[in-house]
Parts: sequence; structure tokens; C-alpha cells
Amino acid sequence: GESVGLHLPTLSVQEGDNSIINCAYSNSASDYFIWYKQESGKGPQFIIDIRSNMDKRQGQRVTVLLNKTVKHLSLQIAATQPGDSAVYFCAENGNSGYSTLTFGKGTMLLVSP
Amino acid sequence: DAGVTQSPTHLIKTRGQQVTLRCSPISGHKSVSWYQQVLGQGPQFIFQYYEKEERGRGNFPDRFSARQFPNYSSELNVNALLLGDSALYLCASSWVMGEQYFGPGTRLTVT
Repeated sequence: GESVGLHLPTLSVQEGDNSIINCAYSNSASDYFIWYKQESGKGPQFIIDIRSNMDKRQGQRVTVLLNKTVKHLSLQIAATQPGDSAVYFCAENGNSGYSTLTFGKGTMLLVSP
Repeated sequence: DAGVTQSPTHLIKTRGQQVTLRCSPISGHKSVSWYQQVLGQGPQFIFQYYEKEERGRGNFPDRFSARQFPNYSSELNVNALLLGDSALYLCASSWVMGEQYFGPGTRLTVT
């Protein structure tokens, strides 16, 4: 069936490095994508979103890139900090008309000082 | 403004029992969605409600039901609990489409 998945389950980086978390999606009808950060014991926290009519969107220290040709989504975190350590999920809204999200399995980002 | 709130925080139930989880959306948000997150996996969509009507349903058995009240709060009910229902149950609210704000979740343990 349609799914959203991640290439890397765990990513370890040094503080100050740039981090890139990747995500592949298979639902070609998806028109809205979101990255969430989930810290232990908490609910997912919205980071940044992008619609299918865009290729790139930037936020504070984060950038999301969307490649519709290969159905690939990435989250770039600049100058990664220890507080960025968490599980990151990509999610897609399959153009359902209402907000229902399909999540990937998640990538654990570990930032060491 | 307060974020999405959920109650209870933790819950322990026995197989076969029934459970009710509660969610209050962010003020002004009319849509509430429920997700199940099994340990080590991403959240899985269960239900979405908008203006008190079910607008979407995930691949969950009929033991799962939900409703939304006139004040837009919501309840998720699970009957005949199974061990596999043990999970973090997340509630998210949104205006209609787009950015969803998640609550802290209710940790359900079925023994």
C-alpha cells in the first residue's frame, strides 16, 4: 500500500554540524508534507511544512526540500545543537481534502557535544 | 493560549476492558484527529472529526470509536482491549487543513 518511509533509522552528528534527514514517499497524490520532531515522552512538534507546488522552504535553521520526480523529501538542520536530539518524522497528507497524516517510521537524531 | 490537552496521562487496563480517552483542542480549532503510536513507530491515523462529524477513518477495527462534542473536544473509546492496543494515543487539532498540533498523548498499557 501507499506509505511514507525513511532511509536511516539513526543519525549521529557532532554539535555544530549540519544534519540531513531523508524521507521517501510513495503516494503520488500527496500534496502536503510535514516534518515533526518528537522528544521522549512528548507528542510530535511541528517543524516545517511544504506543499507540492514548492521545491524548497526555509525556516529558522531548518530547510525542507521536496523532489517530486523521485518522491523524496529531506530536512536539513543547520548548526545542529544537542537540543535537536529527538526522533524526526516525515508525514504526508494524501490530498484527502481534510487533515489526515501518514507518518513514516522516524529517524533518531543524536547530537553529541 | 493553551495547547492541545489530553487526559489521562497514563492508564493501565486489563484485556477485555473498555477505555475512554479525552482531548481538548486548541481554542478556535474545529478539527480533531486521533493517532495511535506503538513504541518505535510513527503515529498511525485512527480518526478525524470536523464540526462534530467523522471525516476520516484509518484502518482500525470497530472496537475503536470516537466522537466530537459541540465545544470541539473529543473522546476516543476502545472496547474489548487487546494487549496490542498498548500504545501512546495522540490527539491533534487543526483549523481545517494543514498544520496539526499534537497533544502530549495518553500512554495506555493493557495487561
